[in-house]
Amino acid sequence: DGGITQSPKYLFRKEGQNVTLSCEQNLNHDAMYWYRQDPGQGLRLIYYSQIVNDFQKGDIAEGYSVSREKKESFPLTVTSAQKNPTAFYLCASGPGTGQGSNQPQHFGDGTRLSIL
Amino acid sequence: AQKVTQAQTEISVVEKEDVTLDCVYETRDTTYYLFWYKQPPSGELVFLIRRNSFDEQNEISGRYSWNFQKSTSSFNFTITASQVVDSAVYFCALSEAHTSGGSYIPTFGRGTSLIVHP
Repeated sequence: DGGITQSPKYLFRKEGQNVTLSCEQNLNHDAMYWYRQDPGQGLRLIYYSQIVNDFQKGDIAEGYSVSREKKESFPLTVTSAQKNPTAFYLCASGPGTGQGSNQPQHFGDGTRLSIL
Repeated sequence: AQKVTQAQTEISVVEKEDVTLDCVYETRDTTYYLFWYKQPPSGELVFLIRRNSFDEQNEISGRYSWNFQKSTSSFNFTITASQVVDSAVYFCALSEAHTSGGSYIPTFGRGTSLIVHP
């Protein structure tokens, strides 16, 4: 089945540690997105990528980094600079620039990150 | 800039009650798209419906119905005869067709948590 796979489902980070959240899609979508969800805050955009080897900062990019070396993959690294990383992280994909404004996004099951 | 407001943070109903989730949006674009998503406890957002700015027809799908009114910039979602399985967080989202740079970045509301009690 086509879809988005996020792993792991739960992740724990120690102080000063970087952790990487995985996101893979087999929908042949050009665009991929990372959102952070906190209680009562809705979805906030961290980074997005419209095409391979290119990505843009979203509203809350500080303390995060991404890469887009393959169309199918868009991993998110939560660095030690992110002082409050405890949240639910959602990855999404969509058709992308020019084609995408009228199409819904497809979401993964999310990764819940906590501080040890 | 586009904006979506879901003023209801949490709604609690008893099974079989009807419930309406409100969504008010702001946009300067003449062509735009509105979406509703459901987020069950499992976490994944599930797409429910899309409506474009030129189509103000209301839509019904089983127990779900949507009321789009451009005059009030609203796109409300009604669940008739609610069931416990409807318990979830519901998000309204807006996407403009003519954003600067051609990027497709939807704006989400903060979500409404619906709790249906048996």
